Amino acid sequence: DAKTTQPTSMDCAEGRAANLPCNHSTISGNEYVYWYRQIHSQGPQYIIHGLKNNETNEMASLIITEDRKSSTLILPHATLRDTAVYYCIVRGRSSNTGKLIFGQGTTLQVKP
Amino acid sequence: NAGVMQNPRHLVRRRGQEARLRCSPMKGHSHVYWYRQLPEEGLKFMVYLQKENIIDESGMPKERFSAEFPKEGPSILRIQQVVRGDSAAYFCASSPPTGTFVDEQFFGPGTRLTVL
Repeated sequence: DAKTTQPTSMDCAEGRAANLPCNHSTISGNEYVYWYRQIHSQGPQYIIHGLKNNETNEMASLIITEDRKSSTLILPHATLRDTAVYYCIVRGRSSNTGKLIFGQGTTLQVKP
Repeated sequence: NAGVMQNPRHLVRRRGQEARLRCSPMKGHSHVYWYRQLPEEGLKFMVYLQKENIIDESGMPKERFSAEFPKEGPSILRIQQVVRGDSAAYFCASSPPTGTFVDEQFFGPGTRLTVL
């Protein structure tokens, strides 16, 4: 699975958009980009995933560059409850490689 | 529809004792994953199981640790002769059966193991 690089920490004002970048320059053609988050010691929570098209759901949007070497997770209107560690994970498509490889992630602090 | 359940939520053991951590996957899910999070560290994959089969145990320590997911009942992560370095949060996740691509894993609340 490709390795990802994320900033260690970021701040965001409450109500503003939070844009979390992720570099995955060694991603291969059949690997997906996943985002999870972990709110203070709770179990990780799935946010969104994509292959090459931009994706949006009720939680966030995922923008993947055309060359797929980087992506950005967008929380459109961050709230204090969005304060968490956000993990960008690249994973291949195979029934026998279901494991998620977590890096250090980005600690997002949403401030009032 | 209940989520992934783990028990106990907190477990205290003395060095040398055994720890048993239980995970009940979401209804209809047949894949279970165990992850460990040491204090101030990231999540590390340990083992991936399907019913009665270990699919990937590449993250399991070679000694003292074992996992099972029987046909009936919860998945069990067993740690024999615990040491202080085993103190961590252990998370279980589940996902639907193979057949379609597994899009997401649903995590439980974790078991916090403290070894005295």
